[in-house]
Amino acid sequence: GENVEQHPSTLSVQEGDSAVIKCTYSDSASNYFPWYKQELGKRPQLIIDIRSNVGEKKDQRIAVTLNKTAKHFSLHITETQPEDSAVYFCAASRSGNEKLTFGTGTRLTIIP
Amino acid sequence: KAGVTQTPRYLIKTRGQQVTLSCSPISGHRSVSWYQQTPGQGLQFLFEYFSETQRNKGNFPGRFSGRQFSNSRSEMNVSTLELGDSALYLCASSPGTGHYEQYFGPGTRLTVT
Repeated sequence: GENVEQHPSTLSVQEGDSAVIKCTYSDSASNYFPWYKQELGKRPQLIIDIRSNVGEKKDQRIAVTLNKTAKHFSLHITETQPEDSAVYFCAASRSGNEKLTFGTGTRLTIIP
Repeated sequence: KAGVTQTPRYLIKTRGQQVTLSCSPISGHRSVSWYQQTPGQGLQFLFEYFSETQRNKGNFPGRFSGRQFSNSRSEMNVSTLELGDSALYLCASSPGTGHYEQYFGPGTRLTVT
């Protein structure tokens, strides 16, 4: 089955700097890659996603890149703000399959 | 549109008991997936229901079961509870027809003592 590895497990950055979280997946048939943000005591919230027919997608301060050949994808957050502090999860799934395989999460702390 | 709702939000049960959790998806969504979240194992897929049929299943024992009703609401049941079943149980809804985005409910926090 699919296996998703996520690094780093914790990340601290100064407010205003950029943060990058990386994930690798094992199943070459995976073609949908969402990112979720989970604040303490809250539900995971979908923040951005990318499909395998696209190499990069941006939404304001966040962007995701996908390298199908290397089977890895990354989340980039620019101009970080205190409200970006949360746990971020990457995930992967196959076309027509609602099963999401999640990475182990990255705890991002923004230092004011 | 109203978001995904789950009831109850908190539950405390004793080993050996059974429990039923409920999930109401976003209006118009026909797929409901269930996930278990624990500090040690992270987010793990339990199963997915679409149009009242289980379409996908994760690697959990048969004590974990579910069903979906004609209005797309879903329930999951855990029988013969074990201490290790203590977790946050999240459901997620999606249209289920080629649209991949899944939206999570607030979860049910189950504590087994």
